[in-house]
Amino acid sequence: KQEVTQIPAALSVPEGENLVLNCSFTDSAIYNLQWFRQDPGKGLTSLLLIQSSQREQTSGRLNASLDKSSGRSTLYIAASQPGDSATYLCAVMDSSYKLIFGSGTRLLVRP
Amino acid sequence: ETGVTQSPTHLIKTRGQQVTLRCSSQSGHNTVSWYQQALGQGPQFIFQYYREEENGRGNFPPRFSGLQFPNYSSELNVNALELDDSALYLCASSSIAGSQETQYFGPGTRLLVL
Repeated sequence: KQEVTQIPAALSVPEGENLVLNCSFTDSAIYNLQWFRQDPGKGLTSLLLIQSSQREQTSGRLNASLDKSSGRSTLYIAASQPGDSATYLCAVMDSSYKLIFGSGTRLLVRP
Repeated sequence: ETGVTQSPTHLIKTRGQQVTLRCSSQSGHNTVSWYQQALGQGPQFIFQYYREEENGRGNFPPRFSGLQFPNYSSELNVNALELDDSALYLCASSSIAGSQETQYFGPGTRLLVL
C-alpha cells in the first residue's frame, strides 16, 4: 500500500530565507508526483508536476526534484515571501491513476 | 481559477441525515474524482467517474455513492452521516481517465456533521 510522508509537518521561517520541503513515498511504482499549494479552507492549486521519467521541474522560485528509486522528492522555495504562507501537499499518482497525498507541510513566512 | 466549481460551499447536517454535493468539471473534461480531506490531513481518494461509470474506488463504505451526468458534472451522496464525515470534500476533473496528466481541483465543500 502506497504511503506518502511529508516532513516537517510545520515550518516557520523569516522572509527571504530559502527552504526545502520533503516528501517520501513507499512504492516507487508511480506515474508522477505533484506538489500542490492549499490556502486555509480552500481547494488545491497545482504547483509542479514531475513525470516518473523526469528528475526535476522548475517554475519561478520553485524547484521540485524526484528520486524515484529512493522514494523521495523535495520542493525548494527560493527567497521566501509572506505570500508563500500556505500548506504544501505532495501527491503521487499510483498504478491505478489515483492520487495519494501526504498530510502536508504548513509553512509560515514571517515578514 | 481551475474552472471546476462545487456547491454548496458550506453545509451543516446532523448525524443520520443524507447529503448531496455537486461538482461541475472543467470544460472538455470527462473524468471526475472525489476526495475527502479531514482537518489537518491530506485528501483521501473516494472514487472516480469516467463517462458516467465508476472507475475506481478508495477505502470508503457503500454509503458514499456518486453519479456522473451526460454533461460530465457529478454528485457525491453520503447516507447515514456520521460525525467523522465532517471534512472538506474536493472534486477534481481531468480530460482522460487513466492518464498521467494533472487533475484540476475545485474549491471544495466544507461539511460539518453535528
